[in-house]
Amino acid sequence: GAGVSQTPSNKVTEKGKYVELRCDPISGHTALYWYRQSLGQGPEFLIYFQGTGAADDSGLPNDRFFAVRPEGSVSTLKIQRTERGDSAVYLCASSLEGAGRLTEAFFGQGTRLTVV
Amino acid sequence: DAKTTQPNSMESNEEEPVHLPCNHSTISGTDYIHWYRQLPSQGPEYVIHGLTSNVNNRMASLAIAEDRKSSTLILHRATLRDAAVYYCILRWGAQKLVFGQGTRLTINP
Repeated sequence: GAGVSQTPSNKVTEKGKYVELRCDPISGHTALYWYRQSLGQGPEFLIYFQGTGAADDSGLPNDRFFAVRPEGSVSTLKIQRTERGDSAVYLCASSLEGAGRLTEAFFGQGTRLTVV
Repeated sequence: DAKTTQPNSMESNEEEPVHLPCNHSTISGTDYIHWYRQLPSQGPEYVIHGLTSNVNNRMASLAIAEDRKSSTLILHRATLRDAAVYYCILRWGAQKLVFGQGTRLTINP
């Protein structure tokens, strides 16, 4: 088990279509984060899972975006009715978190989503 | 979220030390100072973090001002592979990492 794995690495979709982006975190990491990054900008927070539950989804831009982590491991970010403005690199990160612990986050290589 | 301020860009020469500054005048007593960097076409990677005391690891050193309102990431001997965007982030507990624009570091051969 290497690092955080994201699939696909690239996704091109048509405006209005539905897409799913997958994240396989490092085994045993309880915390999982989704970010998106537009060209020339820093990563923008979307959602944070602690185990199976979303502990903080304040960064999801609207109700077209949804993420799940049903078994506390793999997570899927789902985007409905995609728009051209959703084009970005979507990054996933995982870390060991818990009461009193403060550890580094490990990021995947990202999925580059292009909506045409 | 407590805010950090970094220069947009910096330039240095290979094999010379690099000092990357970060201002965080509104830091709270429980905020840790984290540094991440992002190489071209890669996800961010952890560099170092600290609370009050200066910290060293194999990648870099972190010097934290006594009043904690600023810090400096020190790369002791820059290589071309250190060219990246460096982000200074304040984080408390398991909060999300909030990235700013960072400092784009260019290393000249």
